[in-house]
Amino acid sequence: EIVLTQSPGTLSLSPGERATLSCRASQSVNGDYLAWYQQKAGQAPRLLIYGASSRATGIPDRFSGSGSGTDFTLTISRLEPEDCAVYYCQQYGNSRTFGQGTKVEIK
Amino acid sequence: EVQLVESGGGLVKPGGSLRLSCAASGFTFTTYSMNWVRQAPGKGLEWISSITSSTYIYYADSVKGRFTISRDNAGNSLYLQMNSLRADDTAVYYCARDAYGDHFFDSWGQGTLVTVSS
Repeated sequence: EIVLTQSPGTLSLSPGERATLSCRASQSVNGDYLAWYQQKAGQAPRLLIYGASSRATGIPDRFSGSGSGTDFTLTISRLEPEDCAVYYCQQYGNSRTFGQGTKVEIK
Repeated sequence: EVQLVESGGGLVKPGGSLRLSCAASGFTFTTYSMNWVRQAPGKGLEWISSITSSTYIYYADSVKGRFTISRDNAGNSLYLQMNSLRADDTAVYYCARDAYGDHFFDSWGQGTLVTVSS
């Protein structure tokens, strides 16, 4: 099973700042089949990024994904108050596993 | 608009059974693989089962032999039969659609809470 480790556990930033979230895989993710989801409190997750770097429909361009192999990054270029959420990475190249999540707090 | 609506959650005793349902609308249900993903209170997401349009079935080790996924294409519904429930099965259970031809989740239901407690 591919284990995904996300860091940091919590990120506390001010509006307008840049957020960089990391997702590291225990082995190479086939085909860069890596997705990112946003989950706000009390809500279901929402797809942000798939294929490591493709934005899902309707996702603002301040969200971007990058990386390949075992190291992936989600960047939020200019934080807005509504970006307060937990962000999960998920690999789907070998079964499906999620990272443990990164909580983004807005100061 | 894609809609996924789960139902069937509730309180059940350890060792008991429960059947979850997911009503799908707004898309051609028969052509999509469907999944169940759960989230224990205050914890992260865990994929537990998938069923393809051709009814190939996959389970996470944590539920294999206890849970059964199925689908009714005529009724646009997904099901999860959960037997031999344990306290660590307590979670919100989400129905999630695979993106067409892929294995990430592009649509989610609102979830239904299952609590296993005596």
